[in-house]
Amino acid sequence: DIQMTQSPSSLSASVGDRVTITCRASQTINSYINWYQQKPGKAPKLLISAASSLQSGVPSRFSGGGSATDFTLTISSLQPEDFATYYCQQTYSNPPTFGRGTKVDIK
Amino acid sequence: QVQLVQSGAEVKKPGASVKVSCKASGYNFMNYGISWVRQAPGQGPEWVGWISGKNGDTDYAPKLEGRVNMTTDTSSKTTYMEVRSLRSDDTAMYYCARDRRVATFGVVTMDYWGQGSLITVSS
Repeated sequence: DIQMTQSPSSLSASVGDRVTITCRASQTINSYINWYQQKPGKAPKLLISAASSLQSGVPSRFSGGGSATDFTLTISSLQPEDFATYYCQQTYSNPPTFGRGTKVDIK
Repeated sequence: QVQLVQSGAEVKKPGASVKVSCKASGYNFMNYGISWVRQAPGQGPEWVGWISGKNGDTDYAPKLEGRVNMTTDTSSKTTYMEVRSLRSDDTAMYYCARDRRVATFGVVTMDYWGQGSLITVSS
């Protein structure tokens, strides 16, 4: 299975901060990566597919980038509703695997 | 609007089976697949498998292959996931999700999710 390593595992930030989460794949996955947001007690929500394609209804402060093995999710100006756990997922090969998550909480 | 409504929580003994349902509405069922994802307490998500809404083709995670079976009833737009020979480490929240992958060669992209079904395996 392809391993997805997210960093950091957690971070504390303030409203208005720029936040970047990274995800590294154990082998090249081209641009086959999705990013999800999950709040406590809720199902994950798809934010970005295919590395950089923002889903309908997702605020433009979220952006994704990278290729091959190294990818980023950036929140340009953190808002109160963005405090959550974020997961990357590779969809290059079966089984699709998730990272272990990055928890973003309030500083 | 797209909705996926799952069956309720269940408690099962080790070795038993469980069948979870997922009823879809608000979209053309045959243009999408359904993926199932589980999440153990405090852990990240784990993909369990996928079924096509178009023709019932399936694709399972190797870790669960042989113990999981997915079926679909297009008339009621309901998908079922059965897990057999349950073990304690199968305890998790199980989610169904609409998947843009409709054919076996497609790419998994889960864009709408159900509310989750908590499956607890305990003696």
